[in-house]
Amino acid sequence: DTGVSQNPRHKITKRGQNVTFRCDPISEHNRLYWYRQTLGQGPEFLTYFQNEAQLEKSRLLSDRFSAERPKGSFSTLEIQRTEQGDSAMYLCASSRFETGGYEQYFGPGTRLTVT
Amino acid sequence: LAKTTQPISMDSYEGQEVNITCSHNNIATNDYITWYQQFPSQGPRFIIQGYKTKVTNEVASLFIPADRKSSTLSLPRVSLSDTAVYYCLVGDMYNQGGKLIFGQGTELSVKP
Repeated sequence: DTGVSQNPRHKITKRGQNVTFRCDPISEHNRLYWYRQTLGQGPEFLTYFQNEAQLEKSRLLSDRFSAERPKGSFSTLEIQRTEQGDSAMYLCASSRFETGGYEQYFGPGTRLTVT
Repeated sequence: LAKTTQPISMDSYEGQEVNITCSHNNIATNDYITWYQQFPSQGPRFIIQGYKTKVTNEVASLFIPADRKSSTLSLPRVSLSDTAVYYCLVGDMYNQGGKLIFGQGTELSVKP
């Protein structure tokens, strides 16, 4: 068990550019979650997948954000036309459906800075 | 989803027991109480979960009174490495898809 991994760990981009983040969950976990965290705040839920199906998206997730989980394995989160307000830590977590989602395993996060 | 209230910050010294209380007055029948720990520049880590009475694991204990309107996370004999933010979460994870709703958390500072 290598844990949840996220790449890249840091990303600096200019406003208006597109960025894509990758999350590799724990292999036997069928649920995958994306959260966003800004300084001094707790993580905010963005979206989650069960296998390859995206089951819920937060209202925080504007049309510029899209997430995929092809084949129910790794997931990508893309932000188009980045804005300075998108600067945050993007966290990925995974869990097994059978545990009800209470115990989620988080990755180290991708820190995005939009200049 | 039940709203939670917990202290913004707490200070302690190494070797002491630390109790962090979380209020959740409108907790629903199907809601569970879950605590997470987060170190700087890391993702949160699950600590403990309970429904009622007392739950204990190798890391912490969780005390939940009969009315379930509050809960207390107890960390025995803290060390410097327990300095972190602790989040109390309340919800029916089975029916809300496992979506975790975090508040601001309690920033615990352990001093030597």
